[in-house]
Amino acid sequence: QVQLVESGGGVVQPGRSLRLSCAASGFTFSSYVMHWVRQAPGKGLEWVAVISYDETSRHYADSVKGRFTISRDTSKNTLYLQMNSLRPEDTAVYYCAREVRGTYYFDNWGQGTLVTVSS
Amino acid sequence: QSALTQPASVSGSPGQSISISCTGTSSDVGNYNLVSWYQQHPGKAPKLMIYEGSKRPSGVSTRFSGSKSGNTASLTISGLQGEDEAVYYCCSYAGSTTWVFGGGTKLTVL
Repeated sequence: QVQLVESGGGVVQPGRSLRLSCAASGFTFSSYVMHWVRQAPGKGLEWVAVISYDETSRHYADSVKGRFTISRDTSKNTLYLQMNSLRPEDTAVYYCAREVRGTYYFDNWGQGTLVTVSS
Repeated sequence: QSALTQPASVSGSPGQSISISCTGTSSDVGNYNLVSWYQQHPGKAPKLMIYEGSKRPSGVSTRFSGSKSGNTASLTISGLQGEDEAVYYCCSYAGSTTWVFGGGTKLTVL
């Protein structure tokens, strides 16, 4: 069955960097669009970034543009989110989510990984 | 990229029906038939309940239905059950390869 497992979260100081990973299994990773969505503690969901199935296209929410980079490694069936210049407001659970190409919704989600930005 | 507007909370008794609204703009909800709805139980990942405004994924109860009129989408749950108690989020494609979520609605089954 489809599995998405995030890792890499933790506590980091403001201004530092962190890289999240999302290991995919149970489906043909290279055929799907992948997203990151985050949820601040006690708050709602916020879309963060998307990468096309073939890595030719990447797009970001204004709140992370220029600081975060989404990427994928098809040989490892893994999605990444490189987060630089972290701010306290980036504190959230980060979910990876799958999109069937061209459908514009998220049909499977990981369990999330918590990132806490604090000094 | 302003969040879609949802009521903070709704409630209903078992067996009743409730609706949750999701109001956007002509740039997102009103411009695309691409609203999806997600259910989230405490401490769990979101689960897809409705896509393309009114379609149900395989395995989702027929008690869940969706609709849209203008800039407002709605999720209706009929025959409320205790397991439906959760937070519900709407989401719309917003153009330029971006997405926007609503603030979430906490459903309480009385």
